[in-house]
Amino acid sequence: AQSVTQLDSHVSVSEGTPVLLRCNYSSSYSPSLFWYVQHPNKGLQLLLKYTSAATLVKGINGFEAEFKKSETSFHLTKPSAHMSDAAEYFCVVSDRGTGGGNKLTFGTGTQLKVEL
Amino acid sequence: EAQVTQNPRYLITVTGKKLTVTCSQNMNHEYMSWYRQDPGLGLRQIYYSMNVEVTDKGDVPEGYKVSRKEKRNFPLILESPSPNQTSLYFCASTMVPGKNTEAFFGQGTRLTVV
Repeated sequence: AQSVTQLDSHVSVSEGTPVLLRCNYSSSYSPSLFWYVQHPNKGLQLLLKYTSAATLVKGINGFEAEFKKSETSFHLTKPSAHMSDAAEYFCVVSDRGTGGGNKLTFGTGTQLKVEL
Repeated sequence: EAQVTQNPRYLITVTGKKLTVTCSQNMNHEYMSWYRQDPGLGLRQIYYSMNVEVTDKGDVPEGYKVSRKEKRNFPLILESPSPNQTSLYFCASTMVPGKNTEAFFGQGTRLTVV
């Protein structure tokens, strides 16, 4: 069975400083991994995805994530936080479900706060 | 514009009164699913559908029903809602049921059962 652990439920940074949101996963197979962002009162938007190509994945809005198989991690980073980055972030693992199709398993989310 | 549309966005209802939340996608996607989002729990899958007339339970199906009579629509039905179904609900669709494909999400439906 697959699972995702987001190590921090809340992260607070100052504008202009780096962002690190941590994610560890567990999967029986070779998974695909995603980061989604949810702004207040909005749906989920895809930030980036890893699909067994390059281990360093670049996404939208300056975010990137590195897949480290040995550490079973897929941490999300950004060099310089902006006020508009304040949102909730979900790490997601995707693999074959028992009934076929892609089963998405979500982490519990990390709330990112950006302060002036 | 490619999108997943849910209605209504907000709903307050009373215990036991049947309700339906609609979901429609315009991308000709085969795979659709419903999730509920609760604080500290992330999103959990309720039901999913591989194609027309093919549906199956997710991780938290109790108290819910779905149907898939047309490819574009995947309504979520609560026959007798209870307060523990108060939650934020998301519908999602995927092009093909492969692990590499991203899911597209609707805007969400915030349901309150009193």
